[in-house]
Amino acid sequence: QVHLVQSGAEVKKPGASVRVSCKASGYTFTSFYMHWVRQAPGQGLEWMGVVNVRGGNSIYARKFQGRVTMTRDTSTTTVYLDLPTLTFEDTAVYYCARDGEGTSSFDYWGQGTQVIVSS
Amino acid sequence: DIQMTQSPSSLSASVGDRVTITCRASQGITNFLAWYQQKPGKVPKLLIYSASTLQSGVPARFSGSGSGTDFTLTISSLQPEDVATYYCQKYNSAPFTFGPGTKVAIK
Repeated sequence: QVHLVQSGAEVKKPGASVRVSCKASGYTFTSFYMHWVRQAPGQGLEWMGVVNVRGGNSIYARKFQGRVTMTRDTSTTTVYLDLPTLTFEDTAVYYCARDGEGTSSFDYWGQGTQVIVSS
Repeated sequence: DIQMTQSPSSLSASVGDRVTITCRASQGITNFLAWYQQKPGKVPKLLIYSASTLQSGVPARFSGSGSGTDFTLTISSLQPEDVATYYCQKYNSAPFTFGPGTKVAIK
């Protein structure tokens, strides 16, 4: 069955960078786009962007354009989210989520990665 | 960008009650609308896509309707395990915006 397994929690200082990974298994990796969603403490879900796993290109939410990079490695069936120059406002749980089969709703989600930015 | 709103922001109902949550898009999105359930401390779960199609394994007490700009999620008979925050989401095109959420509690 489909599994999305994300990397572990991170604690970073302001100005540092973080890479979150999401390893996919149980399906044909290149057949489905992968999205990143974040959730700040006590807040709602915020769509960050999507990576075309087959072609490698990405589309970002306006808020994150120029700030984040989403990539994939087809040899390891892993997608990555890179966030440079972290601020306190980047403290959140970050989720990868797969585009659904026949629909672009998100049918499978990773377990989430907590990123805490603290001085 | 299209904005998504939800109402109410929270509600409290008794077990067995019929519960309705409304989602509105600032522009038409035909039926490219999904609903998610997020229980406290858990990962969001897809309930409904294409506005009214129940995801496999989701109890039949959940249903969705609507098209264009106005959508509804209905729980026909609220159960204790339905305590959660519910989010709508548009996915006709990027950005794949979520609504602000509706928190459902048991009275």
